[in-house]
Amino acid sequence: GAGVSQSPRYKVAKRGQDVALRCDPISGHVSLFWYQQALGQGPEFLTYFQNEAQLDKSGLPSDRFFAERPEGSVSTLKIQRTQQEDSAVYLCASSFQFPGVRGNTIYFGEGSWLTVV
Amino acid sequence: QKEVEQNSGPLSVPEGAIASLNCTYSDRGSQSFFWYRQYSGKSPELIMSIYSNGDKEDGRFTAQLNKASQYVSLLIRDSQPSDSATYLCAVWRNDMRFGAGTRLTVKP
Repeated sequence: GAGVSQSPRYKVAKRGQDVALRCDPISGHVSLFWYQQALGQGPEFLTYFQNEAQLDKSGLPSDRFFAERPEGSVSTLKIQRTQQEDSAVYLCASSFQFPGVRGNTIYFGEGSWLTVV
Repeated sequence: QKEVEQNSGPLSVPEGAIASLNCTYSDRGSQSFFWYRQYSGKSPELIMSIYSNGDKEDGRFTAQLNKASQYVSLLIRDSQPSDSATYLCAVWRNDMRFGAGTRLTVKP
């Protein structure tokens, strides 16, 4: 596809359930980011991949959160034993190079809206 | 102290006025700076990037960077109702960090 694709777009999970959120970045994009955005807040950094390498996972809020990008393309964010405070929009973003490279642009997907009940 | 700070607003300006949005950051080693616009229920979209001290203009938008003061701003000239959105400041060093955003309303 032409843009960053995320699925599912909407997910309602019962507390304690495990969820998996998928991100298909733009083809050829090296960098991939996951963010968590609560209502009325800015995106909070979760983790960053460069190809298949997870270079930074300092933003993952607990060991219930896990992300992978095994072949350097599609990425999955997994949340185990979901809790109500996990309710948020999970945004995936990708870019052709490092964001610090001049002229490089990060493109966001439409997000996966997670509600934990 | 949050890494990227913005006034949450809301900021309200009349149509045709200049809207001024401000951002400060804590990591002096930050290298690249971005402004994103986010409409309600939508994902962020990049409107400006700036890498060097000074001003950068693109149409009605001007980004200003002062690394000594660790300060970034965005000016929107001739504001339009369609500019009403949340504006997010983002800073890159080893990864990309966002501020909480400033909600702008442009009144017709």
